[in-house]
Amino acid sequence: SYDLTQPPSVSVSPGQTASITCSGDKLGNKYASWYQQKPGQSPVLVIYQDNKRPSGIPERFSGSNSGNTATLTISGTQAMDEADYYCQAWYSSTVFGGGTKLTVL
Amino acid sequence: QLQLQESGPGLVKPSETLSLTCTVSGGSISSSIYYWGWIRQPPGKGLEWIGSISYSGSTYYNPSLKSRVTISVDTSKNHFSLELSSVTAADTAVYYCARQHGNYQNWFDPWGQGTLVTVSS
Repeated sequence: SYDLTQPPSVSVSPGQTASITCSGDKLGNKYASWYQQKPGQSPVLVIYQDNKRPSGIPERFSGSNSGNTATLTISGTQAMDEADYYCQAWYSSTVFGGGTKLTVL
Repeated sequence: QLQLQESGPGLVKPSETLSLTCTVSGGSISSSIYYWGWIRQPPGKGLEWIGSISYSGSTYYNPSLKSRVTISVDTSKNHFSLELSSVTAADTAVYYCARQHGNYQNWFDPWGQGTLVTVSS
């Protein structure tokens, strides 16, 4: 089976840029999606098809995907962005990354 | 606005079958441009895809669960269902249903609120 690897945690100061990576075999040849999950809530899609933002998602969320790594970037990070983030891709089966806890401090 | 709502028993005994239903409101499940999926999340852990189904009944399952999973759809009731057999404590999780865009390889949006299923005697 294939795995998507994410750092367990990332910390960022308010107003700075946070980058969360997701690594997988030839991931750049596939589409990556990203989800935000706050405590006690359902996941919310924030990026699909590598770099597209759903309606209602702030412009500070962006994505890229190349080589073996997809990256979720949050520019001008706000306290409300503190959450767990999961990447997702298809490897003969839908695979989720292990999740990254983003702390804004 | 499309909404999904999971329903079913919150407690299931070991070796029995877990059964959940996801009711779709604010839109029709009978659309060829969407699939409908189940995802679970054990307490304090990450997300795991269980499987997905089209309105016509085409199914795709996680290979690690395939032998125990059945997903079905009832377009007349605008809902789809999950059955997971021979459950153990490892199947204790919050179970989510979600709409999947385009095909079974794509992203999930929106998600239901989730329902906690505990496997215990």
